[in-house]
Amino acid sequence: EAGVAQSPRYKIIEKRQSVAFWCNPISGHATLYWYQQILGQGPKLLIQFQNNGVVDDSQLPKDRFSAERLKGVDSTLKIQPAKLEDSAVYLCASSLAGPQETQYFGPGTRLLVL
Amino acid sequence: RKEVEQDPGPFNVPEGATVAFNCTYSNSASQSFFWYRQDCRKEPKLLMSVYSSGNEDGRFTAQLNRASQYISLLIRDSKLSDSATYLCVVLNTGGFKTIFGAGTRLFVKA
Repeated sequence: EAGVAQSPRYKIIEKRQSVAFWCNPISGHATLYWYQQILGQGPKLLIQFQNNGVVDDSQLPKDRFSAERLKGVDSTLKIQPAKLEDSAVYLCASSLAGPQETQYFGPGTRLLVL
Repeated sequence: RKEVEQDPGPFNVPEGATVAFNCTYSNSASQSFFWYRQDCRKEPKLLMSVYSSGNEDGRFTAQLNRASQYISLLIRDSKLSDSATYLCVVLNTGGFKTIFGAGTRLFVKA
């Protein structure tokens, strides 16, 4: 079974630039999550989708971050404009039905904002 | 106060040792609990769920203490391959919101 795919794996940008990350969850998984993991910290949930609807985005900085999951499959996370403090690993995860079940993580996208 | 707190460690133990980690949570309405493992520069992976009655998987034992609002992870007969960061996970808000602790780092030495 293919795992969660993410791209790009690495991205270096300058502050105030824009960046987008892509995630393809495990086939058939209804729930998709985007996390931000800053070095030395645990993952922080940014947004959670159930199919193509948003379940929770309370920790998403909506002035600069946006995410969508068109057709309930792939998802993109965008940052515009980026700040230095956005440097982190952005992890995408999926689960079959909800967070009570195992969340399977992709390899992440490492973002460095200069 | 953080919603989920863990001792960051690091815990340095010799092979064969028994080591235990605790994780405290602040929301008494928290519903589900998990331990995830994260190797250096890798993604987190589920280690085990934590049930009210406790559960065991080989050398790993997880327990939940709702009265004191903490969960624990016990690793017996530590192996070099157990070296990793162990992340405590709690589900709040009706079981929909996932909250990770900052993790406890474990180093097992030969």
